Amino acid sequence: GAVVSQHPSWVICKSGTSVKIECRSLDFQATTMFWYRQFPKQSLMLMATSNEGSKATYEQGVEKDKFLINHASLTLSTLTVTSAHPEDSSFYICSARPGNLNTEAFFGQGTRLTVV
Amino acid sequence: GENVEQHPSTLSVQEGDSAVIKCTYSDSASNYFPWYKQELGKGPQLIIDIRSNVGEKKDQRIAVTLNKTAKHFSLHITETQPEDSAVYFCAESNFGNEKLTFGTGTRLTIIP
Repeated sequence: GAVVSQHPSWVICKSGTSVKIECRSLDFQATTMFWYRQFPKQSLMLMATSNEGSKATYEQGVEKDKFLINHASLTLSTLTVTSAHPEDSSFYICSARPGNLNTEAFFGQGTRLTVV
Repeated sequence: GENVEQHPSTLSVQEGDSAVIKCTYSDSASNYFPWYKQELGKGPQLIIDIRSNVGEKKDQRIAVTLNKTAKHFSLHITETQPEDSAVYFCAESNFGNEKLTFGTGTRLTIIP
């Protein structure tokens, strides 16, 4: 199947700093990518839909100024957690579908963010 | 999709026995129902999916059934093995909007 790669797989940062997470589709183009957050022992919650060449669409309750999303190319979307706080510590996962809508979604391996 | 309920939240099964996980959804427009397996510290991996135009799909030891009238779908794992131990999530979407809504997850433990 298609491959979606996230980087880094884990990161520790100090409170107040910003962290960037990359999501790449390695062998297909994705006009749309999705960012999820998963707290321990909980389900995946959609944060935002990343659209290539346009602004991301954020889910209700997700601060767009705190979670900056950039989808500059058909194979790369980035999520930047700005002014991180300990409560932002979570597992962040991206997914993408190859261009055809009627295909499965492929997920990255996730990024464990710990804010200290 | 709006809401997906998943049961049970935990399930322990003797190795070799079958495991069944059920999900109920509310959006009648949903037409795609995947199941994901998530191992500790990793992203979800698709194990099987079904679309609304069929009622059942099977892939070796894994099968999924869909009842659109009742708005529920189930994952069936037969001849379970220790490596089946993981957290399983159901999900649903409408291909028109692409977004997946996930169930709450089931922690499956296979007892050797």
